Order: sequence, then C-alpha cells, then structure tokens
Amino acid sequence: QVQLQESGPGLVKPSETLSLTCAVSGGSISGYYWSWIRQPPGKGLEWIGFIYYSGSTNYNPSLRNRVTISADMSKNQFSLKVSSVTAADTAVYYCARDHHGFWSGQLDYWGQGTLVTVST
Amino acid sequence: QSALTQPASVSGSPGQSITISCTGTSSDVGGYNYVSWYQQHPGKVPKVMIYDVSNRPSGVSTRFSGSKSGNTASLTISGLQAEDEADYYCSSFATSSTPVVFGGGTKVTVL
Repeated sequence: QVQLQESGPGLVKPSETLSLTCAVSGGSISGYYWSWIRQPPGKGLEWIGFIYYSGSTNYNPSLRNRVTISADMSKNQFSLKVSSVTAADTAVYYCARDHHGFWSGQLDYWGQGTLVTVST
Repeated sequence: QSALTQPASVSGSPGQSITISCTGTSSDVGGYNYVSWYQQHPGKVPKVMIYDVSNRPSGVSTRFSGSKSGNTASLTISGLQAEDEADYYCSSFATSSTPVVFGGGTKVTVL
C-alpha cells in the first residue's frame, strides 16, 4: 500500500519561502506523476503542480513564477517550494499520486495534508 | 472561479438517490475520459470515489456511480446514507492552461 507523508514548517513568515517534502513509502516514485494540491481554509482544491519521476514538471500558471517542485529518487521523496508567500498561501497542502503511469489528472493516493499558515 | 462547474449543494433523504453534475468544456470533461470524483469529509483527506468517468476503486461502495454526456459528468449516489454527507469534488484532465481542473465542490446533505 502506497503511503505519502508531508512534512515541513507549519508557520511561515510573509515574503519567505514555504518548503514541504512528501515522503513516499510502500512503492517507488519511479513511473508515476506526483502532484501538490492545496486547500485554503473553507475553500476548494487547487492544483499546484506535478513532477514526473524523471524530473519533468508542470505548474499552475497562477503560481508558476513562485513554485518549484523537485524529486529525490534516492530518498523516494519529492518537494515543494513556494517563494514570496502571503496570507493567501495559507492552506492545507497535500501531496498525491496520479492513478495511471501517465498523466491523467486523477489522484488515487494522498498524503494526510499539512496546514501551513503564513503569518508574522 | 473554478474551471468546472458544480452545484454548491445537493440534499436528499436516506435511501434516495442524488446526482451531482460537473460541467466543463471540450478541452476537459468533454474531450477526455479522465474524470474523477473525490469525497471529502470535514477535516479529512480527499478520497477518490470514481476515476476514468465511471470506474470505482477497490473498496468504494457500488452505491457510487459515474457517467458523462458531452461536457457534463455526473456522480450518482444511490441509497443515500448518513455517512455520505460530505463535500464532493470533480476533476478532469485538461488541455487548457493547466493539465487538470477541479470543480468548486458540492456539499451533500442527508436530510
């Protein structure tokens, strides 16, 4: 059973960089697309971006100039960085895996989510 | 504003059937059979209930079914139960500015 676990600071100051890591267990990151999704309190889901295990990435245009997703195959994990954060970046951040071995936008395994609050 | 349009709320009595619609365009829902539905209880992780328009993952109740006609996908919950009360989100593969789009979510209330 594939399991994903997000980790990182729960509080980030405005203008700083949010950094999260998603550790994957029970399976390899090879052969799949891995996404970050966020959900502001009381709101819907927003796709942030994905990385293929080979390193190719795709980001939501609304965040593209502030987001970087990278992967470390040796540690079987992938990471998210969002720079110049504001209060609008406060959200629960989830990592997830695409169901198919190709990009279909359908996420079958999700992490538990981690709340990141942007505040002084 | 979400890329896919869902009703904000749908309600039904126990045992009834309800249907949630998800309307997109030919660049997403209408053009590809990669529509999925997620159930999210308050404070919990989204759980995929349907993928590839109408396929149920192992362990998901047969009371949940999905379909698509044109640019609109639908999730039907039959034999509504109290435990079905949750938010439901649709998503679709897309060839627009983002490679996946989500609906704004539908709150299902069991009366």
